[in-house]
Amino acid sequence: QKEVEQNSGPLSVPEGAIASLNCTYSDRGSQSFFWYRQYSGKSPELIMSIYSNGDKEDGRFTAQLNKASQYVSLLIRDSQPSDSATYLCAVDDYKLSFGAGTTVTVRA
Amino acid sequence: DTAVSQTPKYLVTQMGNDKSIKCEQNLGHDTMYWYKQDSKKFLKIMFSYNNKELIINETVPNRFSPKSPDKAHLNLHINSLELGDSAVYFCASSQDEGNEQFFGPGTRLTVL
Repeated sequence: QKEVEQNSGPLSVPEGAIASLNCTYSDRGSQSFFWYRQYSGKSPELIMSIYSNGDKEDGRFTAQLNKASQYVSLLIRDSQPSDSATYLCAVDDYKLSFGAGTTVTVRA
Repeated sequence: DTAVSQTPKYLVTQMGNDKSIKCEQNLGHDTMYWYKQDSKKFLKIMFSYNNKELIINETVPNRFSPKSPDKAHLNLHINSLELGDSAVYFCASSQDEGNEQFFGPGTRLTVL
């Protein structure tokens, strides 16, 4: 079983819609959870971190964590063409383990 | 000011050669990392150093040797390069283990 699994993409959404990204992880002891955005040919860029159960909002981004279900998600509201990128879920136990990424395309 | 920098940005070399990639961070972080991102875009940790000490050494061939001369620098030396080493190598740093990590621009290594 992979340590971190993300919903398979690619995900295509119209401009202005909500993009929903999901991630599950296998290690119940994980304490830190991150979402990174990676544009093609660029390095991963941290967009959200979440450490406790519940929701965390930052601008158009909302991260949700449910440790009991070993589930973390990212919602992108009012999606813009500039949000088109690959989104990587990362979970920290003793090291940062990344999911394979979900590629999001926002259609203008 | 670049927070995490790497040199070179591109590296094209022949099989069997030895090459090095350098990384520097000016964030004052204690922990630095090397990651490999393969052609399928999967990002995997190779090494982690905390205050110049090796703390994570994933299953990486002995041909890869990291060196941390001080806590702001983490270099990666690769001996006897193979075709399968072709990938993008990212350096990253964090304040401490478990904290948010910040990535450098990456080094695209192509082995011919």
